[in-house]
Amino acid sequence: GAVVSQHPSRVICKSGTSVKIECRSLDFQATTMFWYRQFPKQSLMLMATSNEGSKATYEQGVEKDKFLINHASLTLSTLTVTSAHPEDSSFYICSATPHYGYTFGSGTRLTVV
Amino acid sequence: SQQGEEDPQALSIQEGENATMNCSYKTSINNLQWYRQNSGRGLVHLILIRSNEREKHSGRLRVTLDTSKKSSSLLITASRAADTASYFCATDSNSGYALNFGKGTSLLVTP
Repeated sequence: GAVVSQHPSRVICKSGTSVKIECRSLDFQATTMFWYRQFPKQSLMLMATSNEGSKATYEQGVEKDKFLINHASLTLSTLTVTSAHPEDSSFYICSATPHYGYTFGSGTRLTVV
Repeated sequence: SQQGEEDPQALSIQEGENATMNCSYKTSINNLQWYRQNSGRGLVHLILIRSNEREKHSGRLRVTLDTSKKSSSLLITASRAADTASYFCATDSNSGYALNFGKGTSLLVTP
């Protein structure tokens, strides 16, 4: 149990376009989800905490207008990278906390060309 | 903010040898977890150790936790080529809070 589905797994987009990444909790309700970013050969860095029905909480240095987070239901959080640029190319991964432990999505590899 | 620091950053061993990775953190924790990540892939949860535990085993994995030194170690015994991956420690200061990941150790196990 406690599966988080993340989609898409890979996306290539042109510079200046927007990309939406979805994170769904399949068998539990997630009032809170977390979005992380991982650059090549680096660790995971928390970007923001997504709260169902309210505004996301962004970590210092993360532009809220660039990384739009919507958590409109208890099972879905979306991260939209707006006006993507090559420096936004990274591995994005979401996480949720069922009543026990943490569970992660399989990640999205974003390449901006 | 990231608080876990692993060492070594990279470790290269031969199959059959043991691999030891260390992790240090800065603030008090609720739990400490170890994850594995194959290149370009998602995270695989390996083991969780609670702040009131000192040692935990799971198969070929042995994790220790020293809260007085704010450090943990992950030992992989009798390593296999398939153990080649990056290993991260992650801490949470409270249940349900976001995890803070260490910088990771890149392990290479050669046949």
